[in-house]
Amino acid sequence: DAMVIQNPRYQVTQFGKPVTLSCSQTLNHNVMYWYQQKSSQAPKLLFHYYDKDFNNEADTPDNFQSRRPNTSFCFLDIRSPGLGDAAMYLCATSIGPQETQYFGPGTRLLVL
Amino acid sequence: AQSVTQPDIHITVSEGASLELRCNYSYGATPYLFWYVQSPGQGLQLLLKYFSGDTLVQGIKGFEAEFKRSQSSFNLRKPSVHWSDAAEYFCAVVRSNDYKLSFGAGTTVTVRA
Repeated sequence: DAMVIQNPRYQVTQFGKPVTLSCSQTLNHNVMYWYQQKSSQAPKLLFHYYDKDFNNEADTPDNFQSRRPNTSFCFLDIRSPGLGDAAMYLCATSIGPQETQYFGPGTRLLVL
Repeated sequence: AQSVTQPDIHITVSEGASLELRCNYSYGATPYLFWYVQSPGQGLQLLLKYFSGDTLVQGIKGFEAEFKRSQSSFNLRKPSVHWSDAAEYFCAVVRSNDYKLSFGAGTTVTVRA
């Protein structure tokens, strides 16, 4: 089945130690999104790629970076995780910017 | 800016009873509306969507939603809930200015036996 895959499902890192979260898709969608979701809150968009064009949200901290080496993969890099970055990170894809977004299962990040 | 409001933070319903979750949107033209469900520790699963056409939309897991322009609402319903329906439900709208999803705050549904 075509889908959005996120690895790992759970990630534990230390304060200040860089971490990379991975997302892949078999849907061949043009747009890939990264969201941060804290407990009991709605997802918050960090950035998205429309093909190779990177679009950063104005309030996304510089600590968060992203890479999309090809259509199928997108990575979220957190350069120096703080305790406040502990959250669920959700990847989503869509055919186009206003089309339906399909979400992966998420990666739960814990910062010690 | 377009947005959605989910007035109910938490709803408790008995298994087998009906469920209705409210969603109100602010938008000038016909919005693109979605309902997603999120089980604990999981990602968001699309239940249904409305872009145009028939205002009563059928989704997965026995859910349906009705678009009512006069009330600016897109309420989600299920005639008989199952224990597995306990989850967080998010209503969302695509914003016309930047095509990004704007989520409501979510409604937590608890199902009691």
